Amino acid sequence: QLQLQESGPGLVKPSETLSLTCTVSGGSVTISGYYWGWIRQPPGKGLEWIGSISYSGNTYYNPSLKSRVTISTDTSQNQFSLRLTSVTAADTAVFFCARHVTATTPDNWGQGTLVIVSS
Amino acid sequence: DFQMTQSPSSLSASVGDRVTISCQTSHDITNYLNWYQQKPGKAPRLLISDASNLETGVPSRFRGSGSGTDFTLTISSLEPEDFATYYCQQYFDFVNTFGQGTRLEIK
Repeated sequence: QLQLQESGPGLVKPSETLSLTCTVSGGSVTISGYYWGWIRQPPGKGLEWIGSISYSGNTYYNPSLKSRVTISTDTSQNQFSLRLTSVTAADTAVFFCARHVTATTPDNWGQGTLVIVSS
Repeated sequence: DFQMTQSPSSLSASVGDRVTISCQTSHDITNYLNWYQQKPGKAPRLLISDASNLETGVPSRFRGSGSGTDFTLTISSLEPEDFATYYCQQYFDFVNTFGQGTRLEIK
């Protein structure tokens, strides 16, 4: 059974870089036809798709975040990661990692991790 | 700009009621639309893909319909576990992929 687990700091200072890792078990990030990506949800608000990476390494980003986002995979660890630079309080959110069946369709989600941006 | 409008933003209903949630897009997205259910403190669950394809394990009381710019999620007879927030999501374009959400509450 596929499982995804987010990990990383729960508190990040303004202007710094937010880094999260998603560890995948029960499946491989190199399996053909799937993508691996991130979605966030500010407290009490709706969902925002951040981006994804394909099994072959192609990346797809939300244009509103593209200049600050990098998604990468570590196939040796069966993980994928998110980097979001120059964060502000507006980036405070629960971040979900998820397997995607299209570049922007998450179908299997991690439980989510709250990241607060504050000094 | 691509726009998505989900309505209503909230809805009160009773167990056994039939409810419908609407999602409208500013551009034709053919059938590139999904529906998700999210319960408090949990990750969303994909219910319907490609506008009308019921995901494995999702009860048949959930039905998705529509194409082009107008889409609907219908729950034919509400069960207690259906009270949650529902989101539509388009995957035709990379911007504004999720709707604003519909909170379904017990009347």
